[in-house]
Formats: sequence, structure tokens, C-alpha cells
Amino acid sequence: AQTVTQSQPEMSVQEAETVTLSCTYDTSENNYYLFWYKQPPSRQMILVIRQEAYKQQNATENRFSVNFQKAAKSFSLKISDSQLGDTAMYFCAFMRAGANSKLTFGKGITLSVRP
Amino acid sequence: DAGVIQSPRHEVTEMGQEVTLRCKPISGHNSLFWYRQTMMRGLELLIYFNNNVPIDDSGMPEDRFSAKMPNASFSTLKIQPSEPRDSAVYFCASSLDTIYEQYFGPGTRLTVT
Repeated sequence: AQTVTQSQPEMSVQEAETVTLSCTYDTSENNYYLFWYKQPPSRQMILVIRQEAYKQQNATENRFSVNFQKAAKSFSLKISDSQLGDTAMYFCAFMRAGANSKLTFGKGITLSVRP
Repeated sequence: DAGVIQSPRHEVTEMGQEVTLRCKPISGHNSLFWYRQTMMRGLELLIYFNNNVPIDDSGMPEDRFSAKMPNASFSTLKIQPSEPRDSAVYFCASSLDTIYEQYFGPGTRLTVT
């Protein structure tokens, strides 16, 4: 079974600064995918970024980037130039590659961006 | 393109009543997932379908919960009878297939009094 751990329950960052959210996971699989989802106060779950385990290059989506360390089973999310609209809960999620896979979510971290 | 559509957005009901939550996945997606989110338990996968067939319902809490997917564009999650501990936000998500990322609906906030 896979587990996803987000050990920090909450973080705060000043607007325009950079923040990194941590995530670790445990699996015996070699091929899998990792995701970060954002849940703002509207509670809509929004896909932020996706990483394939077989890719060495870290995924990037505009101000969002990841630091994927496969050997360490670590998958952190870096948000650059933080904006007030980034205030949300962020969930790290794991999915093994292959048919009939399902997402395993971490507990989430609450990020507050201060003006 | 329309995203995943869920209805109702809010539901308040009394204990013992039947509740039906509805979901329309993104057109062309053939995998559909039902989740429940609470403060205590976080996000839990209840059941998921691939090509309208239930693949894994091990997350369904008990026999009071049932889900159907009669066609590729519609699914329901039913709770009968409802209990106060069922109060939660219920999300539906869909994906092109189970190997692809999932896109979530806006959720249904259920309150059982």
C-alpha cells in the first residue's frame, strides 16, 4: 500500500515571496505519478502540477515547480512570487502507473499568503 | 468545455432520509471517482468506475451507500438512510482513463441533521 505524508499542517508566506511545501511518500512501485492539487476556500479541487516518476526533469507550470527526489521519495512544491490567490489547502497525491489505479492523497497543508 | 458537474451543490436533510448526489463527468472521460472529504478523515475514495463498471468499491463505508453509473455521462451516489456522520463534502472526479490525472467537480456539501 502507498502512503503520502504531508507533515506540515500549515504555512504562511509574504506576498511575492517563495514558499516550498513538503511531501514524502512510501511505495514499492517503480512507475508512478505524483500530483499537487490546490483547494481554495471555494473548495474546488484544482490540479496544479503532475510529475512522472520515470522523468528526471522536474515539472514546471508557470510559478509552480516541483523538486522530485525519487531515491528519497520526496516531492516538494515550490511556489514563486506568491500571490494572494494562492491561499488554499494543497494536497500531494500518488498514483501508481497502470490500469485501474487510484489516487492516494496526503492530509493537506494550509497555505496562507499575507499581503 | 464544461468541467465535471455535480448537483446539488448543497443538501440539508434529516436523519433517516434518502439522499442522492449526481455527477456528470467531462465528455470523453471514461473513469469516474466518488470521494468524501471531512476534517477528521481528509479525502477518502469511496468508489470508482471505468467504462461504467465499478472497479473498486472498498471505500464505501457501509451498505447504506450505493453508487451507479448507468451511462458514460451520469453517475449517482445514494445514501439510504442518511445519518449525521455522513455530513461531509462529496466530490466527483473524472479522467480520460484511470492512468491519467483526475479533474474534480465543485463538490456537494451534505448536512444531515
